[in-house]
Amino acid sequence: GQNSDQPTEMTATEGAIVQINCTYQTSGFNGLFWYQQHAGEAPTFLSYNVLDGLEEKGRFSSFLSRSKGYSYLLLKELQMKDSASYLCAVANSGAGSYQLTFGKGTKLSVIP
Amino acid sequence: GAVVSQHPSRVICKSGTSVKIECRSLDFQATTMFWYRQFPKKSLMLMATSNEGSKATYEQGVEKDKFLINHASLTLSTLTVTSAHPEDSSFYICSARDTSTGRDYEQYFGPGTRLTVT
Repeated sequence: GQNSDQPTEMTATEGAIVQINCTYQTSGFNGLFWYQQHAGEAPTFLSYNVLDGLEEKGRFSSFLSRSKGYSYLLLKELQMKDSASYLCAVANSGAGSYQLTFGKGTKLSVIP
Repeated sequence: GAVVSQHPSRVICKSGTSVKIECRSLDFQATTMFWYRQFPKKSLMLMATSNEGSKATYEQGVEKDKFLINHASLTLSTLTVTSAHPEDSSFYICSARDTSTGRDYEQYFGPGTRLTVT
């Protein structure tokens, strides 16, 4: 199986850049996902990394190092609406079904 | 884009009764759906993997006789919480994979069902 670890809470200023880290231990690794979840709502997909390196998508970028068991989500030009929980999830393809094991999430608060 | 719906969005039931939650993929077929549970300020915990036409695969510690899963069609999976107890109160979220897009790694999440057992 696998498990992941990420900081519980972070605070950043509007307009700034914030990096949310995720470390994981795994067997049968088949990719790492980042999701955004606002309180009381379902998670929404942000990114998927299966190869090492940086994936950029607008204000959000995600990085993966498989050898280090490490990923980060980078949020640029922070906006107030970015206040949410950010979940990293590791995929296991053992059953061919991309089962996800979620980390505990990082609650990001964006302040003016 | 792929849309997943859940019904009901909120339900309150009495202890000892059963509650059924539906998860539907609205514009795609989903051979695999997942059921998660999320307690307040906690992350999502996978309960089971639901495969169309076959028995669900439950995660360790999840009672299959208590949480009945039926995936009878390619667009519908149901989770029935039987003999509900207050400790079953939680946010239940389903997700589905659209294997026709080539992005079959992506799961689309439903809006969740808030269950309160009194």
